[in-house]
Amino acid sequence: AQSVTQLDSHVSVSEGTPVLLRCNYSSSYSPSLFWYVQHPNKGLQLLLKYTSAATLVKGINGFEAEFKKSETSFHLTKPSAHMSDAAEYFCVVAGRRALTFGSGTRLQVQP
Amino acid sequence: NAGVTQTPKFQVLKTGQSMTLQCAQDMNHNSMYWYRQDPGMGLRLIYYSASEGTTDKGEVPNGYNVSRLNKREFSLRLESAAPSQTSVYFCASSEWSSSYNEQFFGPGTRLTVL
Repeated sequence: AQSVTQLDSHVSVSEGTPVLLRCNYSSSYSPSLFWYVQHPNKGLQLLLKYTSAATLVKGINGFEAEFKKSETSFHLTKPSAHMSDAAEYFCVVAGRRALTFGSGTRLQVQP
Repeated sequence: NAGVTQTPKFQVLKTGQSMTLQCAQDMNHNSMYWYRQDPGMGLRLIYYSASEGTTDKGEVPNGYNVSRLNKREFSLRLESAAPSQTSVYFCASSEWSSSYNEQFFGPGTRLTVL
């Protein structure tokens, strides 16, 4: 069985400052991990995925995430926030057949 | 390519009414999924179809039925809607149901049951 915990339900940053969205996972085997983004009233879009290759994964729109097995973490970062980054972000762990979603982190970007 | 499409976009039902949510994908994917999204709970899997001709229950299947009509289409039916089924429903597809495969999501159906 697998599970994922997003440590912050809401994060607020100023435009141009770094973004950190935290995620811890639990899995009984080597996991595949994803970050998805959902803009208001839209579907989900894949930001990046980890599938046991490089531990630092680069995604779209300047986002990246680092897989740390010893800490069971997969935090999402971006060096400089943009207003268009305001959205809900989901950390996801893949099971053998389906995905398990975290409860989401709403990112607010202040001008 | 349209990707994953869902109809309708919005629906209001009265308790006890039935309806079917439609989903289609044009990416030649083998696996399809239905999720519901409730505030503060992320997405939860209702049913999935690993390949044409097969369906399996997910985390929250009660009150729902599904049909994998063909490789492209996967419908979700509420036989007797209840207020607890008020939610946003997302359909998704992937090449296979392997944990390595990205899932592609439709735009969602916002359902309200009065």
